[in-house]
Amino acid sequence: GAVVSQHPSRVICKSGTSVKIECRSLDFQATTMFWYRQFPKKSLMLMATSNEGSKATYEQGVEKDKFLINHASLTLSTLTVTSAHPEDSSFYICSARDVGNDEKLFFGSGTQLSVL
Amino acid sequence: LAKTTQPISMDSYEGQEVNITCSHNNIATNDYITWYQQFPSQGPRFIIQGYKTKVKNEVASLFIPADRKSSTLSLPRVSLSDTAVYYCLVGNYGGSQGNLIFGKGTKLSVKP
Repeated sequence: GAVVSQHPSRVICKSGTSVKIECRSLDFQATTMFWYRQFPKKSLMLMATSNEGSKATYEQGVEKDKFLINHASLTLSTLTVTSAHPEDSSFYICSARDVGNDEKLFFGSGTQLSVL
Repeated sequence: LAKTTQPISMDSYEGQEVNITCSHNNIATNDYITWYQQFPSQGPRFIIQGYKTKVKNEVASLFIPADRKSSTLSLPRVSLSDTAVYYCLVGNYGGSQGNLIFGKGTKLSVKP
């Protein structure tokens, strides 16, 4: 299947700092990417839909000023957690849609964010 | 978007065939059915996708009845490494509105 690369895999930061997570589609172009959040032993929760060249669409209850999404190219979307606080600690996962492969969704390996 | 219902957990033994059924009663005409596998602290891994009838690949089979209100993921001869959470997702991927909403998944435990 197609490869989606997500970095970093793990990040620890101090409260009040900002953290950027990158999601890249390595062997296909992705006009649409998705960002999810997952708490321990829970399912994935969709946070936002990232569209290349336009503003992201956020799910209800997700603060767009808190979770900044940029999708400036067909292979890269970034999620920036601004002014992070301990309650933002979570596992963040991105996915990208491969239009040329029956629009299948492929996921990154996830980023474990720990805010101290 | 269609809501999915799966068993919360299943147990199996090495070498057995495992069938996980997912209900999606309000699936839309243009919705696909996709199954993912997730290990702890990893992103979901694509297993198989289908629209109707039967789909098969090197790791699994997907059975979809004519009414498409359910689907069954079949894993042949499971091993310990197949212990994971399996998610059934239903969605329309067309355009920028298509996305996938995850249900609670099925935690499969394979024992020796």
